[in-house]
Formats: sequence, C-alpha cells, structure tokens
Amino acid sequence: RKEVEQDPGPFNVPEGATVAFNCTYSNSASQSFFWYRQDCRKEPKLLMSVYSSGNEDGRFTAQLNRASQYISLLIRDSKLSDSATYLCAVNIPPSGYSTLTFGKGTMLLVSP
Amino acid sequence: SQTIHQWPATLVQPVGSPLSLECTVEGTSNPNLYWYRQAAGRGLQLLFYSVGIGQISSEVPQNLSASRPQDRQFILSSKKLLLSDSGFYLCAWGRGETQYFGPGTRLLVL
Repeated sequence: RKEVEQDPGPFNVPEGATVAFNCTYSNSASQSFFWYRQDCRKEPKLLMSVYSSGNEDGRFTAQLNRASQYISLLIRDSKLSDSATYLCAVNIPPSGYSTLTFGKGTMLLVSP
Repeated sequence: SQTIHQWPATLVQPVGSPLSLECTVEGTSNPNLYWYRQAAGRGLQLLFYSVGIGQISSEVPQNLSASRPQDRQFILSSKKLLLSDSGFYLCAWGRGETQYFGPGTRLLVL
C-alpha cells in the first residue's frame, strides 16, 4: 500500500456543484495533515491544515477520519477559479524533522 | 511576512553539465528548509531537508547534493546532470510541520 494515495481524477463538475476528495494514508501514527492547491506549472500553496475536529474555511471543509485513515476535502459552491490540482500531505513517522509525504494530487476541473 | 525566492525560474542544461539552484528565505530565522522535485506525472519527491546551517539530510540516493551555507540560504547542486534530473524543483521552508513553497525552478536536461 502506498503511503499517501489520492484519486488522480480529473473530477469534472459544473459551477456551483459540491465536490469532495479523499486522501488515504498508511501510517496510523501520522499526526499532521494538510491540503495544498497547485495550479498548472505553479508551486503548491497551502490551502488548510486538517485538525482532528475538522477545519472549515469559507467554502472549504477538511475532515480527518483516523479510524479509516483518510482525510477529506469538501468544496461547496464550486467556482471556475477552483480548477486546480489538490494535494494532500501527511507526516509519516518515524520520518525525521517535520517531513511530509505528499499524494500525487487530484485534479479538479470546474466548468461554466 | 515570510517570503521565499528561487532562481533561476527556468533552466535548460545539457547532459553532463553542472547545476546550482538557489533558494533564500526572508522574514524568518532558523527555518527548516526542504528541496523537492516534481517530475512529469509524478508526485512531489523530497530530496533534502535541513534543520540548520550545515545540517543536511538526504532522502533519496542520487547525483544531487545540497548545502546550507547560511541560515536562510539553501542550495541544490549537481556535478553532472542526467536526463532523469529534468523536473520542477521546489524549495520550501517550514516551522513545525507546515511547509510553504517557493515559486520553483523548471529544469530541462537535454
């Protein structure tokens, strides 16, 4: 099993739709989880951290399911500008010094 | 606020040539620094990380090396580039486990 796995997509959704992505991780001892957004040919940008209690930022909601070892990202009321690749990142113990393992990303395409 | 710079933005190099990519961070002290490579169709691969001046940890064996001569400077080097070194090289800084990426250098080895 890969350490961090994501469905590559693409997820094609119309504007205004709600879409959700999952990211599974292999190490039950992982403690830190993040979602990043990466536009084509640009660097990843931190979207949000994922806390045990969940995290909401406007139209974006991130949740952690420790029992099933996955994190999720929910985007409500999709905008054209949400089109991007969404990467999840997880720390995988006993990796040293705050290193993260990234998934390969899920591509989202929002159409008019 | 913190900013991270990388240069050059793009680079085309012949096989066997040397490489030097530079990353600098402003607005923070003693950050953790990271070098990643993102090859076409592949995920982000951690190459090196550093927790302080002169302290480098390598994650994968390869013909690349890294150095941290100053607190806010991180350099990625190679003596002889291979075709497989082509990719998008990203520097990141972090405090705790949150990481922030620089704009990246796109390297094409021909």
